[in-house]
Amino acid sequence: NAGVTQTPKFQVLKTGQSMTLQCAQDMNHEYMSWYRQDPGMGLRLIHYSVGAGITDQGEVPNGYNVSRSTTEDFPLRLLSAAPSQTSVYFCASSPWTGNNEQFFGPGTRLTVL
Amino acid sequence: QKEVEQDPGPLSVPEGAIVSLNCTYSNSAFQYFMWYRQYSRKGPELLMYTYSSGNKEDGRFTAQVDKSSKYISLFIRDSQPSDSATYLCAMSATPAGANSKLTFGKGITLSVRP
Repeated sequence: NAGVTQTPKFQVLKTGQSMTLQCAQDMNHEYMSWYRQDPGMGLRLIHYSVGAGITDQGEVPNGYNVSRSTTEDFPLRLLSAAPSQTSVYFCASSPWTGNNEQFFGPGTRLTVL
Repeated sequence: QKEVEQDPGPLSVPEGAIVSLNCTYSNSAFQYFMWYRQYSRKGPELLMYTYSSGNKEDGRFTAQVDKSSKYISLFIRDSQPSDSATYLCAMSATPAGANSKLTFGKGITLSVRP
């Protein structure tokens, strides 16, 4: 099992550009989520999905879109990048049963100039 | 007031010290409590999981939950340089499933000096 994979590892964008952060998991987990991590702010939930075709907003959804067409993939789209979106982005997945353990990917470090 | 407050740190201790990491919370509905460990430039990984009040021990780590005080702690005995990482507390009101959203503390960075 590869677990949760994220691409790219690093990205530099200019203000106004768009891009998609990729996330995939091979554990057949129903629940997937996106977080951003900023110094002094901890992990903040952007969007989450409880299954294919179902998504919902988290704490800081503005400026981001998600879709979930398959169980495995949960891409995060930045529509028009802003410097405030400079952050480290983590994707996580969790099974439907058991404890609340969320399995995190290695992260994408995004800089918006 | 944020739902979850965590001591900001950073924290530096000598090897072999006992470390106490703490979080307080305001949402009385939280029942599931977790500690995640995050090494530099890596994703967080689950370290300890407890349900409701009480203690749970796993090797050198002990997680303690006091729901009456809305206070959780993580104790690390005989701390090692390999314990140097950021520790995040996390909480949820529901078990795994449709609404298993976690609320995280900001994290505290621990450095264990050889």
